[in-house]
Amino acid sequence: KNQVEQSPQSLIILEGKNCTLQCNYTVSPFSNLRWYKQDTGRGPVSLTIMTFSENTKSNGRYTATLDADTKQSSLHITASQLSDSASYICVVSANDMRFGAGTRLTVKP
Amino acid sequence: GAGVSQSPSNKVTEKGKDVELRCDPISGHTALYWYRQSLGQGLEFLIYFQGNSAPDKSGLPSDRFSAERTGGSVSTLTIQRTQQEDSAVYLCASSLYQSWQVADTQYFGPGTRLTVL
Repeated sequence: KNQVEQSPQSLIILEGKNCTLQCNYTVSPFSNLRWYKQDTGRGPVSLTIMTFSENTKSNGRYTATLDADTKQSSLHITASQLSDSASYICVVSANDMRFGAGTRLTVKP
Repeated sequence: GAGVSQSPSNKVTEKGKDVELRCDPISGHTALYWYRQSLGQGLEFLIYFQGNSAPDKSGLPSDRFSAERTGGSVSTLTIQRTQQEDSAVYLCASSLYQSWQVADTQYFGPGTRLTVL
């Protein structure tokens, strides 16, 4: 069983709508949690990095939350744009890095 | 350039051949990582270089895979006797510091798409 589970596997929303992606992990101990955006055919790009003591971090229209007690994180995208169509990957670092399988987001006009 | 670069961008090879994939990290970055991403799958860690320390090879799937980093900069990932299951996108990333325990951004290259026929 993957130690980093992301949901949903895929999501389709209309342009301008908000959405929330989930990441649950069992990795322990915990150092930091990252969210990446990966456009098709490109390398991942870092969106946010959060440590144990942080419970929210924003990067423009992207806001990540972290609950280290329940081992859950979410990535909220506000006022989605067509360019937000991509895979979003959650990565949890402890003694190594554990990757989620990603959520494939499609934003339609 | 300012980012991580990888070459070639695409590589098609025949089963059983050896291939070399190159990564040029961002200048001054001490940590360098190789990952593999198979079609529709998540990222898979392969190997990690941190400064002059011995690399962490714990993610290499078999002894056909090896990597080196010369002069603390450019890295080469070598796959010997390629198999069809080696077909994937191979991504390289670098960061200023060791980033597993430090909240340090990893910068990824565009990847090399390897196809083994």
